[in-house]
Parts: sequence; C-alpha cells; structure tokens
Amino acid sequence: GENVEQHPSTLSVQEGDSAVIKCTYSDSASNYFPWYKQELGKGPQLIIDIRSNVGEKKDQRIAVTLNKTAKHFSLHITETQPEDSAVYFCAAGSNYQLIWGAGTKLIIKP
Amino acid sequence: DAEITQSPRHKITETGRQVTLACHQTWNHNNMFWYRQDLGHGLRLIHYSYGVHDTNKGEVSDGYSVSRSNTEDLPLTLESAASSQTSVYFCASSVGGTTEAFFGQGTRLTVV
Repeated sequence: GENVEQHPSTLSVQEGDSAVIKCTYSDSASNYFPWYKQELGKGPQLIIDIRSNVGEKKDQRIAVTLNKTAKHFSLHITETQPEDSAVYFCAAGSNYQLIWGAGTKLIIKP
Repeated sequence: DAEITQSPRHKITETGRQVTLACHQTWNHNNMFWYRQDLGHGLRLIHYSYGVHDTNKGEVSDGYSVSRSNTEDLPLTLESAASSQTSVYFCASSVGGTTEAFFGQGTRLTVV
C-alpha cells in the first residue's frame, strides 16, 4: 500500500541552530503535503502545508520544500527555540485521505 | 470559539467489553476522522465520514465501527475490546478535501 517514510525518528539540535526533517512518499497522485506539530498530551496541530503546484513555502522560521520528481518533501526550522521541542508529523495525500509519517521527536538543547 | 472535544480522556476497560469513545465538533465540518496513535506508527486512520450517514473504513478498521447521525458527532465503538486496541485515539475534523484538520485532545484507552 501507499506509505510515507519520515526521517529521522529523533533529532537533537542546539538552540539557535536549524533543524531539517525529511519525508518520502510513494503515491505519485499525492498533491497535498501538510506538517503537524504535536506537543505532549495534545492533538497534532497544522504548522504549514504545501501543494503540488508549489516548490517551496515559508512562514517566518518554518519552511517546507517539495520535490515531486523525487517524491520527497522537507521541513526546515531555523533559529530553533525551546518551544519548538515537540513531535512533528508529515503527511501526503490527495482528495480526502492522508498517509502519515511515523513522526520525528525534535529536542532543542539549551 | 469552535472546538472539537473527545471524551473520556482516559479509560480502562476489560477484554471483550464494548467501548464507545465520543467525539463532538462545533466547527460544522463535513469531514470527521478517527485515528489511533501508537509509538513508531504515527497516525493510522480507523474510520472516516464525509457527512451525515456516510462512513468509510480506513487502514485499521477491523474491530471498530462508527456512525454519523448528525454533523457534530462521530462516536467510535470497539465491539469487543482487545489488548491490541490499547492506544491513544484522536478524532479530527476538516472542512473538506485537502484542508487543515483540527484534532481533539485524544483519548488514552487501556484494555486489560
């Protein structure tokens, strides 16, 4: 079946440095790629999304890039802060269904 | 403010019992989803609904059922709880298609 692979499973970076999380998808029909952030004890929350007609999207310290040919997309967080510590999920889909990555635990070291 | 709420937040039940988890949204969204979250598996779709009286199976639907009698609610029923169904369950809703999904706070279910 269709799947989304997400790497790394855990990422530890120094406060102020950049963090990059990568996802690869298998369904070539996918045209929507959201990223969600999940804080401890809470449900996931959308932080940024990108559609297949766009190669890059940026929102303040967060950016997402998409390479449809290679079927991969990445989340970039610059100038990381303690509040960025969380689990991040990527997803890929079309129509009404999303396939989710397994998640990346991001740890920001002071 | 519009919101999506799940109840209960925590539940312990015995193997073989029927369990129902509630999900209520005030966004007036057509789409509602149930996911389970297990370590190393991310979010896996159990059932989803595109509107009243519509229900569809997701990738891990065995042992679960849902019904949609109104726009606001999508209860998830475990017909006969099994230890393999111990998990954290999330309900979500969205306007439609490929748009932002809003998640509830989750229900931690333990089957003993």
